[in-house]
Amino acid sequence: AQSVTQPDIHITVSEGASLELRCNYSYGATPYLFWYVQSPGQGLQLLLKYFSGDTLVQGIKGFEAEFKRSQSSFNLRKPSVHWSDAAEYFCAVGETGTASKLTFGTGTRLQVTL
Amino acid sequence: NAGVMQNPRHLVRRRGQEARLRCSPVKGHSHVYWYRQLPEEGLKFMVYLQKENIIDESGMPKERFSAEFPKEGPSILRIQQVVRGDSAAYFCASSPNGGPDTQYFGPGTRLTVL
Repeated sequence: AQSVTQPDIHITVSEGASLELRCNYSYGATPYLFWYVQSPGQGLQLLLKYFSGDTLVQGIKGFEAEFKRSQSSFNLRKPSVHWSDAAEYFCAVGETGTASKLTFGTGTRLQVTL
Repeated sequence: NAGVMQNPRHLVRRRGQEARLRCSPVKGHSHVYWYRQLPEEGLKFMVYLQKENIIDESGMPKERFSAEFPKEGPSILRIQQVVRGDSAAYFCASSPNGGPDTQYFGPGTRLTVL
């Protein structure tokens, strides 16, 4: 069964500092990988996704992520964090085939200090 | 274009009552997914439906929970005889195609069972 691990439950960074959120997955086939962001009391917004091709993917709001098959990782990065980036971030892996359900990690809560 | 709509946004029920959650997918999307988010946890897949068909219900509790996506109208997630452990946020997502495709999430319904 597929699984996703986000080892950091809570991260605090200063505004303007760089950010890296870790995500490791377990999946037997080629993974389809996603990063979503959830603001308090809100739904999930897609930041970026990887299906195939270039392993460095660009997303919205200045985020990027790099797929590393050898490390089973899909870490999210941003060079300079803004206070409005404070939220919860979820990594997810999607199944191939007809089911296509998403398996989510437990999330990383990002706090940004001014 | 309207995104995924869910109602009600907040629902309070007493133990033993029924909860009915509605989801209207993005216009033109015929694939609907329901996820549950317990406090301080990630989202867990419950069920995947296409119009008039349940494709994958492997994440649904065996009793009291049911889902439908009729030919006309919204998808409904029904919880009968609710218990306190059903208190959670329930998210609906839709996609235009099955298989590996982006899922667009609604704002969620927050169910509180007293």
